[in-house]
Amino acid sequence: KQEVTQIPAALSVPEGENLVLNCSFTDSAIYNLQWFRQDPGKGLTSLLLIQSSQREQTSGRLNASLDKSSGRSTLYIAASQPGDSATYLCAVGTGRRALTFGSGTRLQVQP
Amino acid sequence: GAGVSQSPSNKVTEKGKDVELRCDPISGHTALYWYRQRLGQGLEFLIYFQGNSAPDKSGLPSDRFSAERTGESVSTLTIQRTQQEDSAVYLCASSNSGGVFDTQYFGPGTRLTVL
Repeated sequence: KQEVTQIPAALSVPEGENLVLNCSFTDSAIYNLQWFRQDPGKGLTSLLLIQSSQREQTSGRLNASLDKSSGRSTLYIAASQPGDSATYLCAVGTGRRALTFGSGTRLQVQP
Repeated sequence: GAGVSQSPSNKVTEKGKDVELRCDPISGHTALYWYRQRLGQGLEFLIYFQGNSAPDKSGLPSDRFSAERTGESVSTLTIQRTQQEDSAVYLCASSNSGGVFDTQYFGPGTRLTVL
């Protein structure tokens, strides 16, 4: 059974700092890995989708990497801003169609 | 509409009552998914629709949970005889074709509280 773990569970950083969120998964037979942002009372916003054949994806200040063989992904956020405060969820897609989610990293960026 | 919508946004009910949660997917999306998120946890998959059939309902936690979908449109998740452990945010997502490489787009969720 696929299990997804995210470390740390919570993180507080001062504005401007670069930071890394970690995601690991137990079964490397994945089709893709997706990073989402979740704001309180709102749904999930897809940030980056990495297909299994890719090593990384970039969007603005965000960069996500994927090492399928070791079962790891990282989300790098450059020059963090208070507006980045949210919960970040990692999810893997398998042939099962449903995504398997980690429990998230709650990020607080202090102004 | 522009995105996935869900209603109601909040639902408070008494233990033992039945509830219905509604999801309107993005127009044209053939695949629809229901997930549940308990407080402080990640999302748990409940059921997946391709059109109006459900090839995977393995995540439904008990026979009190059921879901249906009308064509490639609205879906309703029904919970009968609600229990306190059913309290959670119920999220719906849709994707273009249900392919394994598809991006899933999520709605804002329905927060269910069972007293």
